[in-house]
Amino acid sequence: EPEVTQTPSHQVTQMGQEVILRCVPISNHLYFYWYRQILGQKVEFLVSFYNNEISEKSEIFDDQFSVERPDGSNFTLKIRSTKLEDSAMYFCASSVLQGNQPQHFGDGTRLSIL
Amino acid sequence: GNSVTQMEGPVTLSEEAFLTINCTYTATGYPSLFWYVQYPGEGLQLLLKATKADDKGSNKGFEATYRKETTSFHLEKGSVQVSDSAVYFCALIRGSNYKLTFGKGTLLTVNP
Repeated sequence: EPEVTQTPSHQVTQMGQEVILRCVPISNHLYFYWYRQILGQKVEFLVSFYNNEISEKSEIFDDQFSVERPDGSNFTLKIRSTKLEDSAMYFCASSVLQGNQPQHFGDGTRLSIL
Repeated sequence: GNSVTQMEGPVTLSEEAFLTINCTYTATGYPSLFWYVQYPGEGLQLLLKATKADDKGSNKGFEATYRKETTSFHLEKGSVQVSDSAVYFCALIRGSNYKLTFGKGTLLTVNP
């Protein structure tokens, strides 16, 4: 069964550094998402992406965050200048359509900011 | 705004016990409802879904019925197995945006 793949599985970065989290969505999917889960808290929506532009973003997704689909397969989340509170598990998801279609998730990248 | 409340864990059961994990939601109109499961070291996997009132989602012996009158979507399984040990997340999608709104998750541990 096709999967969403995320790399790396664990990223350790110094505060203030830039970090790029990578995702390869399922190949025929058109909608892409990033979520995050701070330890012990809810999974929170960050951003959705369709047709090479952001469809919606949450309050969390400030100017320090950006997303890109640099080629036909990758979908990346960049954090420009990381803060301690960015430490979390970041999940990428994709879906064929929007609406009530299921979103398929990757295994996540654990980001640790020192 | 939309929100999901699910029972606090952790839940510990013996194999073959009956499982209920409560989930209630707040949303206008008719959201679509989902249960996702996260096995240790893995990502979120869709377990089941229901898109309208009175729909029953089912998969792998798990069931949940969309109850509009009680705004609930409780997860049940008649006989749990050790392999069901995981974190279970209730979630909804509502409105013109299509972001998932999740509950906090419930850790289930099934002992042999």
